[in-house]
Amino acid sequence: GDSVTQMEGPVTLSEEAFLTINCTYTATGYPSLFWYVQYPGEGLQLLLKATKADDKGSNKGFEATYRKETTSFHLEKGSVQVSDSAVYFCALDRGSTLGRLYFGRGTQLTVWP
Amino acid sequence: ETGVTQSPTHLIKTRGQQVTLRCSSQSGHNTVSWYQQALGQGPQFIFQYYREEENGRGNFPPRFSGLQFPNYSSELNVNALELDDSALYLCASSLPGTGIGGANVLTFGAGSRLTVL
Repeated sequence: GDSVTQMEGPVTLSEEAFLTINCTYTATGYPSLFWYVQYPGEGLQLLLKATKADDKGSNKGFEATYRKETTSFHLEKGSVQVSDSAVYFCALDRGSTLGRLYFGRGTQLTVWP
Repeated sequence: ETGVTQSPTHLIKTRGQQVTLRCSSQSGHNTVSWYQQALGQGPQFIFQYYREEENGRGNFPPRFSGLQFPNYSSELNVNALELDDSALYLCASSLPGTGIGGANVLTFGAGSRLTVL
C-alpha cells in the first residue's frame, strides 16, 4: 500500500546550519508529494509541494525535489533559523479526487541560537 | 478569509464515554477530512465528507462516525471511547482537485486534543 518513510528524529542544529530531512515513498501511479510543518500547539501548515517527477517545490528557503527514480522527496534548507524549530511531515496524495494524504511519522527539528 | 476552526481545543473523557468534535471549514471549501494524530506519529486519515456524504474512509472502526452540514461544517463522533483514542484530532478542508496538477491542497485546523482516562 501507499506509505511514506521519514528519517528518524529528533534533529538538532545550530543556527545557519544546513538541513536535510530524508523522505522516501511507496505508491502506485503518480502521487503528488508534500511537506507540512507543525509548530508547537498549532495544526499542520503546507510548506511546499510537487506534483510530478523532477518538480522542485520551494518556500521560505526550503526546497524539495520529486525524484521518481529514487522515490524520494528530501527536504533541504541552506541556513536554518531558530524560528524553523517545528515538526516536519512528508506526505503523499495518490491523486484521486478523495484527497487522502498519507503522512510520515514526522521529524522534530530544534535549532539552537 | 477565515481558516479552519475546531472545537473544543482540549477535552478529557473516560473510557466508554462518547465525544463530539466540531469543525468549521475554510470559507468556500466544500470538503472536510478528519485525521487522527497519536503522540509522536503522523496523522492518519479517518474519513472525508463531501456534499454531506461520507466520501471515503480509512482503517477506523464504525464507532468513529461523522456528519457534514449544509454550510460544510462537520462533526466527528466517537462512541465507546478507548484509551488508544487519546490523540490530536485534525480537521482539514479543501476544494477537491483544485490544486496544481489536480493535487488536493488541504487547510488544517489547530486540532482538538482528546485525552481518554
